[in-house]
Amino acid sequence: QKEVEQDPGPLSVPEGAIVSLNCTYSNSAFQYFMWYRQYSRKGPELLMYTYSSGNKEDGRFTAQVDKSSKYISLFIRDSQPSDSATYLCAMSADQGAQKLVFGQGTRLTINP
Amino acid sequence: EAQVTQNPRYLITVTGKKLTVTCSQNMNHEYMSWYRQDPGLGLRQIYYSMNVEVTDKGDVPEGYKVSRKEKRNFPLILESPSPNQTSLYFCASSLLGTDGYTFGSGTRLTVV
Repeated sequence: QKEVEQDPGPLSVPEGAIVSLNCTYSNSAFQYFMWYRQYSRKGPELLMYTYSSGNKEDGRFTAQVDKSSKYISLFIRDSQPSDSATYLCAMSADQGAQKLVFGQGTRLTINP
Repeated sequence: EAQVTQNPRYLITVTGKKLTVTCSQNMNHEYMSWYRQDPGLGLRQIYYSMNVEVTDKGDVPEGYKVSRKEKRNFPLILESPSPNQTSLYFCASSLLGTDGYTFGSGTRLTVV
C-alpha cells in the first residue's frame, strides 16, 4: 500500500463547476500538507499548504485536512479552463518538510 | 527573477556514461531536493539537502549521487546510468521546507 493515495483521474468538469480533489494517507505522523499544480511540460508549483487539521482558503481554492480520517481535500470554486492541470498532494512528517511524499496526481480538465 | 534552474532540459545518453544534471537556485534557500517523475508512480524523492554539506537519501537513491558544496547549487550525478533511470527529473528548493518548494522546469533524461 502506498503511503499516499490519490485518484489519477482523469477528471473532466464544465467551466464554473466546483471541483473536489482528494488524497488519503496511511502515515499518522504526517502533519504538513501541500497541494501543487502542474501544467503540461512544467514543474509543479505550490498552491496551498496547511499544518495539521483544519481549513485554509485562498481565493477560489480551499484546502481541508482531516487528520482523524487521514484525508485531505482541495476544492476549486468557479473553475476556469486555466485550472486544467495535474494536481498533486504532498505531505511530510518532519518539521522542515525535507522528506515530501507525493500522491500520484489527478489530471483535471475544465471544459469551456 | 527568483527561480530554480536545471540544465540540461533534455538529455539522451548511453548506458554507463557518467552524467551530471545541474541545479541552481537564486533565492538563498536552505533546503534543496531532487525528484524523479514517472507515469503511474508520481514524484519520488531521490535525495535532499538541508544545508551546505548536509545531504540525505530520499525514497529512491540507488544509482544517484549528490553534493552540496555551495548553498545555491545541488547537482545530481549518475555515475553509471542505466535504462531504468530514464525519467523526468526535477530539482526543488525551499527556504523553510514547510513553506513549500519551488521547482525547476525539469530535465528529461533518456538512457539507451
